[in-house]
Amino acid sequence: SQTIHQWPATLVQPVGSPLSLECTVEGTSNPNLYWYRQAAGRGLQLLFYSVGIGQISSEVPQNLSASRPQDRQFILSSKKLLLSDSGFYLCAWSSERQGGGYTFGSGTRLTVV
Amino acid sequence: GQSLEQPSEVTAVEGAIVQINCTYQTSGFYGLSWYQQHDGGAPTFLSYNALDGLEETGRFSSFLSRSDSYGYLLLQELQMKDSASYFCAVRPYTGGFKTIFGAGTRLFVKA
Repeated sequence: SQTIHQWPATLVQPVGSPLSLECTVEGTSNPNLYWYRQAAGRGLQLLFYSVGIGQISSEVPQNLSASRPQDRQFILSSKKLLLSDSGFYLCAWSSERQGGGYTFGSGTRLTVV
Repeated sequence: GQSLEQPSEVTAVEGAIVQINCTYQTSGFYGLSWYQQHDGGAPTFLSYNALDGLEETGRFSSFLSRSDSYGYLLLQELQMKDSASYFCAVRPYTGGFKTIFGAGTRLFVKA
């Protein structure tokens, strides 16, 4: 079966510090992978998506970047965090069996202080 | 532009039936999906309508009418554990593999 792992679950980082969130998928090959951010009580904002190794599409100009060094690995990074980067970060992959519907990782709650 | 509209909150009593509506403005899309998200958790996939009509999965049903640019999620025999946020989402034909989400509907189930 397909599973998606995301870590860490929570993170408190000072302003100006770097960030690295990792997401890995098991049980599938060449998945479409996504990073979303959710502000408290709000909807989901697409940050990046990737259809293959080294292929990254950015949706929102921002302080973040993404990389896909391996087929089943998706990384979200920042060189210097801002207060506005706080939020709930979700990795997801999509399956055509679900009509392209997403399976989300458990999320990382990031607080920038 | 492309957007989905949902009510921000809905309240219902345990055992009742509730319908969460989703209206959208998008030129064309593959299908309408619904997700459930409990507080502090990640969204989980509930249902997908590729074609017009009703899809039933246990206590949950989802409906799509492309001609009316409208869909809904129907929850029957409400339970306290159904208290959560519900998001509708579409994947437009244009825009690659992106999915657009509604802002979500917060469902409160009361005893």
